[in-house]
Amino acid sequence: LAKTTQPISMDSYEGQEVNITCSHNNIATNDYITWYQQFPSQGPRFIIQGYKTKVTNEVASLFIPADRKSSTLSLPRVSLSDTAVYYCLVGYYNDMRFGAGTRLTVKP
Amino acid sequence: GAVVSQHPSRVICKSGTSVKIECRSLDFQATTMFWYRQFPKQSLMLMATSNEGSKATYEQGVEKDKFLINHASLTLSTLTVTSAHPEDSSFYICSARDRRTGGRFANTGELFFGEGSRLTVL
Repeated sequence: LAKTTQPISMDSYEGQEVNITCSHNNIATNDYITWYQQFPSQGPRFIIQGYKTKVTNEVASLFIPADRKSSTLSLPRVSLSDTAVYYCLVGYYNDMRFGAGTRLTVKP
Repeated sequence: GAVVSQHPSRVICKSGTSVKIECRSLDFQATTMFWYRQFPKQSLMLMATSNEGSKATYEQGVEKDKFLINHASLTLSTLTVTSAHPEDSSFYICSARDRRTGGRFANTGELFFGEGSRLTVL
């Protein structure tokens, strides 16, 4: 199972771009990289998923280098409501376990 | 998007009683459902993987006789905390994997999470 390492916490200000990097050195060939957001007392919410290169959707971008040993979630122009814990998951089908996550605090 | 509903969202019970938490996929069939437990300020810890019609697979250290999981249909899984004690107080979250293939995440099946159920054992 690929283990993930993320920064424990990050601070940012409204309107800034935030990049959260996740390390997953022993990622397997079949593994996908998925990012979730969690607010207090709520279930995680899907943000984005990718396998390699770059993926972009309406809320975020995901950058994955060629070796796939890390990935970076990019949140453009964050707002106060983006304050949450962000989890990087690496796995395939049933091998999806949560790491410690990154607590992002957006300040006014 | 797909919806996973948990019930109850909050439950308070006395020590020694049993509590059942339901997890339903409302608009899709789930091949697999997962149960997690989350203590304050901590990450989600996978407790068990539940496949419809078969016995759940429990993670190491999770007592299967204490945390009974029933996955009777493709849209419903239940977690029963038996003989609950104060140390079982936690936030329990389920997730379900969409059964459809060829979808947006055909290789992995997107995981949808419930809103969570907060259990307090007095």
